[in-house]
Parts: sequence; C-alpha cells; structure tokens
Amino acid sequence: GEDVEQSLFLSVREGDSSVINCTYTDSSSTYLYWYKQEPGAGLQLLTYIFSNMDMKQDQRLTVLLNKKDKHLSLRIADTQTGDSAIYFCAESISGNQFYFGTGTSLTVIP
Amino acid sequence: DAGVTQSPTHLIKTRGQQVTLRCSPKSGHDTVSWYQQALGQGPQFIFQYYEEEERQRGNFPDRFSGHQFPNYSSELNVNALLLGDSALYLCASSFSGPGELFFGEGSRLTVL
Repeated sequence: GEDVEQSLFLSVREGDSSVINCTYTDSSSTYLYWYKQEPGAGLQLLTYIFSNMDMKQDQRLTVLLNKKDKHLSLRIADTQTGDSAIYFCAESISGNQFYFGTGTSLTVIP
Repeated sequence: DAGVTQSPTHLIKTRGQQVTLRCSPKSGHDTVSWYQQALGQGPQFIFQYYEEEERQRGNFPDRFSGHQFPNYSSELNVNALLLGDSALYLCASSFSGPGELFFGEGSRLTVL
C-alpha cells in the first residue's frame, strides 16, 4: 500500500508562519490534498494541487510540491488560534482511493 | 446547498451486533466513498460506490458491505461487530473522476 508520512506535532506562535510537511511514496499520484480536522468534526478540504504543478497559493495557504523528492508542504501565513487543528495530507492516483497520512497536530500559542 | 450529511452521529453497539450507517452526498455529486478513522489515525479507505456499484475496495473484510441508491445516497453495513471496529466512520462524496472530495461530520461508533 501507499505510505504517506507526516510529523505528529507542530507548535507555533500566533502571527508566525506554520509549515507542515508530508512525504508520499507513489510517484503516479495525480492529486495531492491538504485537509483540516477540528476536534470531533469531519475533514475540511483546504486545498489541493495537481501533480504537474510546483506551487499553489490560496490566500494564507501556500502548497509546495517537490515531485522528485515526493515531498509536499503546506505553509500557513499569519497563523491564528483558529488554525489549531489536525492537518492531513492525502494522495490520490485515480480519484477513487485517497491515502491519508496520520496527521499533524498544529497548536497555535497566543 | 447542503453538504455531505451522515446519520446517526453517535451510536453504541455490542460485540456481534450489526450496524447500518447512512450518508447523503453533496448536491450534484454522484460518487460516495466510506472511510474508517480510528482514534489518532488518518482515515482508511473502505470502499467507493458509483452508479450503484462498488467501484473500488480497500483492505477491509467482507463484514463491511455497502449500498448506493438511485438518488446517490449510500449505506455502510458492518456485521459481527468487533471491539476494533470502534471508530469514526466518514462518508465522502465527489463528482466522478479525480478532484475534490468532500467529507461529512462522521458517525462515531463505539463497540462494547
């Protein structure tokens, strides 16, 4: 099966930038995704990037993709306390099956 | 525009029982996928339904079965429940083909 790996925890101060990293194994991934999950809730789609792109920016979010190293990152600018949550990266080859990482718990310190 | 809705939100069962979870996809979506999320883990793919057929299946036993109805809503059935089936069950919908996958809030199943 495909392995998607993330670091478990990240702590940042309010107003700083957060960078959450992810590595994946399947080079034939078509799309790569970032989801946010708040306690007791489902997953909220934040953004996604097609595998032929290197970067995608959406307001405070910047996604960088390094296909050679199979590395994906999510940068959150001006991190706020409301950004505290678990962030999952996911890969999909055909759009049918998504493979998720174990999630990175982001804590924003006021 | 309603998003993905799931019911029930919480339920408690005992070992050996059977459970049915329900999902209505986001308006305009025709594909429904089910995921199991154990505590502290990422979601694991169970299966996907399209045109009322199971299109793809993850590594889950036959105790897990599903159905999709003509209105695209879906059910997940789990028979002979085990303690290890305790998890958050997430339904996700999409329009056929790669792209965005939208999740519901989940059904939290506790097996005692």
